[in-house]
Amino acid sequence: DSGVTQTPKHLITATGQRVTLRCSPRSGDLSVYWYQQSLDQGLQFLIQYYNGEERAKGNILERFSAQQFPDLHSELNLSSLELGDSALYFCASSARWSETQYFGPGTRLLVL
Amino acid sequence: QQQVKQSPQSLIVQKGGISIINCAYENTAFDYFPWYQQFPGKGPALLIAIRPDVSEKKEGRFTISFNKSAKQFSLHIMDSQPGDSATYFCAAAIETSGSRLTFGEGTQLTVNP
Repeated sequence: DSGVTQTPKHLITATGQRVTLRCSPRSGDLSVYWYQQSLDQGLQFLIQYYNGEERAKGNILERFSAQQFPDLHSELNLSSLELGDSALYFCASSARWSETQYFGPGTRLLVL
Repeated sequence: QQQVKQSPQSLIVQKGGISIINCAYENTAFDYFPWYQQFPGKGPALLIAIRPDVSEKKEGRFTISFNKSAKQFSLHIMDSQPGDSATYFCAAAIETSGSRLTFGEGTQLTVNP
């Protein structure tokens, strides 16, 4: 158990809908990262937050957004969902700016 | 653009054998190279990591070999066990840029008993 929790574990929704994925980092970790894992794209970095501020952006679509709250939990919002958004979404956390990342169990999103 | 290339895509070894997975990177700014292990239905878990100031790092049965001039690094699993059967990902990051990980494509390892 990495200490990173993600909810929900599974999510089934329809095209055009909006969902919110939640991540609670390990106790004391200030940095949160979001990754997408799909069969065709592999594991890809989406976005990073550090102590509430966005620090880095990767291949994140404009339909996706994220935020980190004062209690350090983070949410990833996916809107106008398309079939191709079906994937595993992982959250990872690290203590500081450049330390080991610990991954959560992921949220499996299926868009029908 | 795939900045980290990993091979092979899949690997089958016998119990007790040596598993070798290779990765090559393009961006010379990368300065942190971790390997992650992922079991079905689980998130990736850090196995071992290396920085470019050393050429080899060993932790138990797992060894990373690093060749800075060739921009390549590899994972060696000695005395492979059926419990090692998983997907392995190499990754690279620039620590001064927040350590966002760029992953290889993954290698599915099967260790036969």
